[in-house]
This record gives sequence, structure tokens and C-alpha cells, in this order.
Amino acid sequence: AQSVAQPEDQVNVAEGNPLTVKCTYSVSGNPYLFWYVQYPNRGLQFLLKYITGDNLVKGSYGFEAEFNKSQTSFHLKKPSALVSDSALYFCAVRDPNQGGKLIFGQGTELSVKP
Amino acid sequence: KAGVTQTPRYLIKTRGQQVTLSCSPISGHRSVSWYQQTPGQGLQFLFEYFSETQRNKGNFPGRFSGRQFSNSRSEMNVSTLELGDSALYLCASNGGDSYNEQFFGPGTRLTVL
Repeated sequence: AQSVAQPEDQVNVAEGNPLTVKCTYSVSGNPYLFWYVQYPNRGLQFLLKYITGDNLVKGSYGFEAEFNKSQTSFHLKKPSALVSDSALYFCAVRDPNQGGKLIFGQGTELSVKP
Repeated sequence: KAGVTQTPRYLIKTRGQQVTLSCSPISGHRSVSWYQQTPGQGLQFLFEYFSETQRNKGNFPGRFSGRQFSNSRSEMNVSTLELGDSALYLCASNGGDSYNEQFFGPGTRLTVL
């Protein structure tokens, strides 16, 4: 069965510092991996995806993620955090044999302080 | 290009009632997925509709049902509401056949009293 884990409920970072939000996955076959962000009282916004190809994926708002097959990880990163990056971040995996079904991690609350 | 529309945005119901939520996907998208978001269980997949057919279903009781119309608009229905059904219900519009970028609506916040 597919599963996703985000080991940190909360990540605190100072503005201007690099940030990392961790995600590990368990899938059978090739993983289709995604990161979404949710701001208060809003839906989910797509950040980036890994389907195939380069292990370093670049996405929206300066975010990037590194796919590591041996460690089954897909950590989200940004070189310099902004206060406006404060939000709830979700990692997700999709089983290509199950259509559009996404399995989400439990979410990580990112707090960026000035 | 208009985004995903969900109506209503907020609902308050009482136990035992039923509720219908609506989702209009992005024009041209034929697939719609529904998710329930709660603080305790996180984001959980309810079901997916593609061209008016249910393509996939999550682990929810039969009180949760849905349908899709020929214009790709989708509705989900919850009957005999329970307190635990209080949640944010999110709809995702799936583009093309690859599902590699799903667009979410703002959600409907359902409160069951």
C-alpha cells in the first residue's frame, strides 16, 4: 500500500535562512510525488511534482524538492525563507494505477519568523 | 481560465440531516476528486469521478456518495450527518489523463451540530 510520512508536525525557521520540510514515502513501483501548500481557510495549491527525470525538481515560489530513491525521500527545500512562506505543507503520492487518488502525509506547519 | 469552484463555502447542519456539496472543475477537465480534511485524520480521499463514472473510492461509509454530470460538475452528498463529519471538503479538478497536476478548490467548510 502507498503511504507518505512527514516526520515533523512543525518546522520553525528564521527569515532568510534555508528551510527543509521532510517527506518519506512507501510505494510499490515508480512513485509519483507531489508537494502542496495550504494557507489558512484556503484550498491546496500545487507547488511541484516528481514523475521521472532529474532528481532535483524546481517548483513555484522558489521551492524545490530532491527525490532520493535509496532513502525513499522527497524533501521540500527553499534556499531563503520568507515570512509569507508560513503555511501548512503536504507531501502526497499518487498510484498511477488508481487514477487521480492522492495519498497525503499528515502535513507540516512551517513558521517563518522575521 | 476560471479555477475550481465549490459551493457553498460554509454550511452548518445538525445531526441526522443530509447535505449536498457542489464542485465545478476547470473547463475541459473531465475528472473530479473529493477529499475530506479534518484535524485528526488529515486529508483523506473520498472518491473520484471521470466522465460521469465513479472511478475510484476511498474508505468511507455508504452515507457518503457522489455523482458527476455531463458538464463535469460534481456533487457529493452526505446523509444522516454525524458530528464527526464536520470537516473541510475539498474538490480537485484533474487535467487530462495524466493527473500530474491537480487543481484544488477553496473547499466547503461543513459544521455539524
